[in-house]
Amino acid sequence: GENVEQHPSTLSVQEGDSAVIKCTYSDSASNYFPWYKQELGKGPQLIIDIRSNVGEKKDQRIAVTLNKTAKHFSLHITETQPEDSAVYFCAASEADSWGKLQFGAGTQVVVTP
Amino acid sequence: GAVVSQHPSRVICKSGTSVKIECRSLDFQATTMFWYRQFPKQSLMLMATSNEGSKATYEQGVEKDKFLINHASLTLSTLTVTSAHPEDSSFYICSARGSGVSGANVLTFGAGSRLTVL
Repeated sequence: GENVEQHPSTLSVQEGDSAVIKCTYSDSASNYFPWYKQELGKGPQLIIDIRSNVGEKKDQRIAVTLNKTAKHFSLHITETQPEDSAVYFCAASEADSWGKLQFGAGTQVVVTP
Repeated sequence: GAVVSQHPSRVICKSGTSVKIECRSLDFQATTMFWYRQFPKQSLMLMATSNEGSKATYEQGVEKDKFLINHASLTLSTLTVTSAHPEDSSFYICSARGSGVSGANVLTFGAGSRLTVL
């Protein structure tokens, strides 16, 4: 089955700096890669996603890149703000079971003013 | 659009009792719902996949007789934790997959249910 690895486990950045979180996956059949933000005691919120036919996607301060050959994808947050502090999870899903997600271990991001 | 309501948000029960958690899709039809469990400071682990009108498919290591899943309609799936024990205390989260108003695929998570077993 799919195995998703995520690094780093914690990330501390100064407000205004960029944050980068990296994930690798094992199953070449996976073709959907969402990123979620989870605040304490809440459910995960989708912040951006990318499909395997696209190499990069951007939404304001957030971008995701995908390298299918190397089986890795990354989340980039620019101009970080204190409200970006949360746990971020990457995930992967296969085409024939879309929505059945294998999650990475998560990254605790702390943005200090 | 594509809202999933999960209830209750928090529940405390005594050891040995059963607890039911509901997951509802409010504005779309969820042909499939997924149930995850999340222990403190850990990731979400898939427990089972439920398709409307059929039996749930459980992930390896998840006891189907302990975690009963019912998906009787296109808008409701329930997870019942039977004979709960303290080690079942966790954050249970559902997600629903279906078609939105525009016909596009949607995948939305509920807000989660915190179960504490005393």
